[in-house]
Amino acid sequence: DGGITQSPKYLFRKEGQNVTLSCEQNLNHDAMYWYRQDPGQGLRLIYYSQIVNDFQKGDIAEGYSVSREKKESFPLTVTSAQKNPTAFYLCASTGPGLAGLETQYFGPGTRLLVL
Amino acid sequence: AQSVSQHNHHVILSEAASLELGCNYSYGGTVNLFWYVQYPGQHLQLLLKYFSGDPLVKGIKGFEAEFIKSKFSFNLRKPSVQWSDTAEYFCAVSRYGGSQGNLIFGKGTKLSVKP
Repeated sequence: DGGITQSPKYLFRKEGQNVTLSCEQNLNHDAMYWYRQDPGQGLRLIYYSQIVNDFQKGDIAEGYSVSREKKESFPLTVTSAQKNPTAFYLCASTGPGLAGLETQYFGPGTRLLVL
Repeated sequence: AQSVSQHNHHVILSEAASLELGCNYSYGGTVNLFWYVQYPGQHLQLLLKYFSGDPLVKGIKGFEAEFIKSKFSFNLRKPSVQWSDTAEYFCAVSRYGGSQGNLIFGKGTKLSVKP
């Protein structure tokens, strides 16, 4: 099945530790995105990538890093500099949808908890 | 800067009641507008979208939304809700009036439908 997979479903981070969240898509989409979802805050854009080997900061990029070495993969690293990492992280990609109009597809998310 | 406001944080309705969720955006140019739904434990998924043309847009599961340019609004409606509509609803606008990349989300409205 085509889609976006994120792993793990739950991730625990210790103080001072970097952790990496995986996002893979087999939709052949060029653009990929990382959002953070907090209760009552909606979704906020962390980083996005329009094409391989290129990525841009979103609204809340501090304390995060990404890479885009392959079209299918857009991993997000939550560094120790991110002081409030507990959140639900959503990966998305954009591609052709109904009537040729672009549609954004979301993965199932990873919940990150700090120990 | 573009922003999206959703008026209600939590809406509680009985089955068969009519629903209207408010959404206003701040951007004077061309916009593309979206409503997403997140059912408990499920992916964020697209409910409906407006790109151009008829300002009354019909989506999945009996939902519709009306784009009123003069009011900068894109309210979501459903004539008769069901218990299965219990979910969180997000309004979003695409930046720069472009494609569905780089969405700005509202903070979400939780809908609880009592059986």
